[in-house]
Amino acid sequence: EVQMLESGGGLVQPGGSLRLSCAASGFTFNIYAMSWVRQAPGKGLEWVSAISGSGGNTYYADSVKGRFTISRDNSKNTLYLQMNSLRADDTAVYYCAKRTSIAVAASTPDYWGQGTLVTVSS
Amino acid sequence: QTVVTQEPSFSVSPGGTVTLTCGLNSGSVSTNYYPSWYQQTPGQAPRTLIYTTSIRSSGVPDRFSGSILGNKAALTITGAQADDESDYYCLLYMGSGISVFGGGTKLTVL
Repeated sequence: EVQMLESGGGLVQPGGSLRLSCAASGFTFNIYAMSWVRQAPGKGLEWVSAISGSGGNTYYADSVKGRFTISRDNSKNTLYLQMNSLRADDTAVYYCAKRTSIAVAASTPDYWGQGTLVTVSS
Repeated sequence: QTVVTQEPSFSVSPGGTVTLTCGLNSGSVSTNYYPSWYQQTPGQAPRTLIYTTSIRSSGVPDRFSGSILGNKAALTITGAQADDESDYYCLLYMGSGISVFGGGTKLTVL
């Protein structure tokens, strides 16, 4: 059974940093691209970032470019999102999602974790 | 700025058929955008219904179908049931590794 379990969320002050993790199981991790998607309270889904199966290609939404870094450790079946210079509008539930192929191009999320809440507030 | 458009809300009667659409503020949606559809109920993670325009995700009943209708991607639900009452989001692949979600459609079954 495909499963993703996010962790690392919590309360952080504006300007602070946080690293999210997503532990994956039930599939061959290194042959699938992965994504992070977030949802602010009461709002819709927002695509945040994606990474290829090898980790060699990474992509970001304009809203997080230069502040967030996606990475993966294929030996640990784990996806990461390093979030720096956090702002109040980064407050959201962050979901990791497996994509449908090894490349980010022309692939889409198919399996989702349950999410982890990040709250940016003083 | 590319905006992915969805109807904010829609209503369908139990047993009825409804088609939700996913468009662009400029241009037409084609299979090249690899449209996908997600269902989400309050407090839950999204569930993938359709990817690559029309491929049903594992375990999704065949009363959910995806297509291109005119210049938009479409999600059709036939024989609507009470537990189909959810928020529905489309996602389009814009190229260069970037994807964009639509604003979502709140579907009411009554």
